[in-house]
Amino acid sequence: SQTIHQWPATLVQPVGSPLSLECTVEGTSNPNLYWYRQAAGRGLQLLFYSVGIGQISSEVPQNLSASRPQDRQFILSSKKLLLSDSGFYLCAWSVASWGYYEQYFGPGTRLTVT
Amino acid sequence: DAKTTQPTSMDCAEGRAANLPCNHSTISGNEYVYWYRQIHSQGPQYIIHGLKNNETNEMASLIITEDRKSSTLILPHATLRDTAVYYCIVRAPTGANSKLTFGKGITLSVRP
Repeated sequence: SQTIHQWPATLVQPVGSPLSLECTVEGTSNPNLYWYRQAAGRGLQLLFYSVGIGQISSEVPQNLSASRPQDRQFILSSKKLLLSDSGFYLCAWSVASWGYYEQYFGPGTRLTVT
Repeated sequence: DAKTTQPTSMDCAEGRAANLPCNHSTISGNEYVYWYRQIHSQGPQYIIHGLKNNETNEMASLIITEDRKSSTLILPHATLRDTAVYYCIVRAPTGANSKLTFGKGITLSVRP
């Protein structure tokens, strides 16, 4: 069966510090990978998605970047965190099934920028 | 994607069936109904989806009306661990860049 891991689970970082969040998927090959952010009391915001190694698409201009160095690894980074980067960061994966896409989420990383 | 309308909250007794309604009166012919849930402080969890036939899996059943303007998610024997926000989403099958958009959902509280 497929599993998705995210770490760390929680993170408190000062403004201006760098960020690296990691997501890995097991049990599937060539998944589509996604990074979402969920701000407190708000909905999901898609940040990045990737259809393959080295292929990253950004949905919104922002202070963050993403990379996919391996098939089942997705990394979210920032060189200098802003207060507005606080939130619940979720990684998700999907594969094509009969033309539609269900997305399966990881446990999330709760980031607080102080 | 078509808009969905859900009640704000509901509760049910542990062990009883929880029936969660969703209205999607502007649904298009190629749009599917998806249900996700999010337990507090966890990532969203995919539950089930359907087009026009009723669907059942190990987690729940999805009943879609014949005109497809509404649907009901049924948790047959609710447990305390089913307490969560449940999201009904309507969308057409799209490519890898399909992004999930959650509304406010319905908060289900399962009481002992």
